[in-house]
Amino acid sequence: AQSVAQPEDQVNVAEGNPLTVKCTYSVSGNPYLFWYVQYPNRGLQFLLKYITGDNLVKGSYGFEAEFNKSQTSFHLKKPSALVSDSALYFCAVMGNNDMRFGAGTRLTVKP
Amino acid sequence: DAGVIQSPRHEVTEMGQEVTLRCKPISGHDYLFWYRQTMMRGLELLIYFNNNVPIDDSGMPEDRFSAKMPNASFSTLKIQPSEPRDSAVYFCASSFGIEQFFGPGTRLTVL
Repeated sequence: AQSVAQPEDQVNVAEGNPLTVKCTYSVSGNPYLFWYVQYPNRGLQFLLKYITGDNLVKGSYGFEAEFNKSQTSFHLKKPSALVSDSALYFCAVMGNNDMRFGAGTRLTVKP
Repeated sequence: DAGVIQSPRHEVTEMGQEVTLRCKPISGHDYLFWYRQTMMRGLELLIYFNNNVPIDDSGMPEDRFSAKMPNASFSTLKIQPSEPRDSAVYFCASSFGIEQFFGPGTRLTVL
């Protein structure tokens, strides 16, 4: 069965600095990978996905993610963090039409 | 489109009572998913439907939980009888293809 791991419960960065939220995955076959963001008292919002093609995927709000097959990773990145990026971020992998989510990483961007 | 609609947004009930959560997926979507989110267990897939047919209910915690999808525009998740450990946020999501769109969730509190 497919699974994802988000090794960091929390990531803290200063506004304007680059941010990285880590994700590794395990899946048989070709991976379908996703990042979602959850703001307080809201549902999950789609950020980006990797299905095939370029390893660098660009998504919403200036986020991007790099697919690395050899390291089975799909880290989320942003060149310059905003305070408004503070939220809970979930990595997910899809197999057999169902999606498995990581435990989530809470990103805090401080002014 | 209004997106995925869930009702109620908040539900407070007493242990032993029946609880029914409702979901209206995005029109045209052929997959519907029910998730539960708690601090302890994160985001868990409970069950999903394809064209109104339940495909995988292995995530349903026990027989007290049941889900139905009588037509393409409506699904229910029922808990009978409810217990305090069922307190969580329940999300419904729908998709046509790869990306899932989440509703705002129902926050259930069982006293």
